[in-house]
Amino acid sequence: GENVEQHPSTLSVQEGDSAVIKCTYSDSASNYFPWYKQELGKRPQLIIDIRSNVGEKKDQRIAVTLNKTAKHFSLHITETQPEDSAVYFCAAPKDEGDDKIIFGKGTRLHILP
Amino acid sequence: GAGVSQSPRYKVAKRGQDVALRCDPISGHVSLFWYQQALGQGPEFLTYFQNEAQLDKSGLPSDRFFAERPEGSVSTLKIQRTQQEDSAVYLCASSLASPFQVQETQYFGPGTRLLVL
Repeated sequence: GENVEQHPSTLSVQEGDSAVIKCTYSDSASNYFPWYKQELGKRPQLIIDIRSNVGEKKDQRIAVTLNKTAKHFSLHITETQPEDSAVYFCAAPKDEGDDKIIFGKGTRLHILP
Repeated sequence: GAGVSQSPRYKVAKRGQDVALRCDPISGHVSLFWYQQALGQGPEFLTYFQNEAQLDKSGLPSDRFFAERPEGSVSTLKIQRTQQEDSAVYLCASSLASPFQVQETQYFGPGTRLLVL
């Protein structure tokens, strides 16, 4: 089964700067890596995902990179804005080819004015 | 269209009481997942349905937890004889489960916040 480690647990960045959150996974067969954003008291929402046939994916200010050899993937947020403040979770399939996903423990991102 | 909905949004139960939490997935979504989210933690997998079949219940913490989805749509998570450690947010998610690709996006409901006193 999969084990997902996420760091840092808390991250503070100045508004306008970039934020990077990193996750490692244990199962080399994993091939799907979603990132979710959860604002206080709200539901987790998918912000971007990547599959193992690509190394990078970008959507406006958000990008995800995947290094299959090292078994880690990262979320990059550029030009951070106050509304980026939230908890971010990475995830990976529980088992190979599985619809079930295992979440990291989350990173609380604070955007400082 | 309508997203995943859950009810009740908040539930206060006395220890030992039974509770039932409801999830209405997005119409047409084949897969349905239940998660437990403790304060300051990520969602922890509880159980998974594909249509009415419960394919994985390995995450259920004890035999006091029971889930069903009898008609392959609405699902209910039941917790019997609630304990204080059951206090958490219970999240439901659904996904389309395309026959061409596994691991479709999971769409979450707002959750039910359960407090056991």
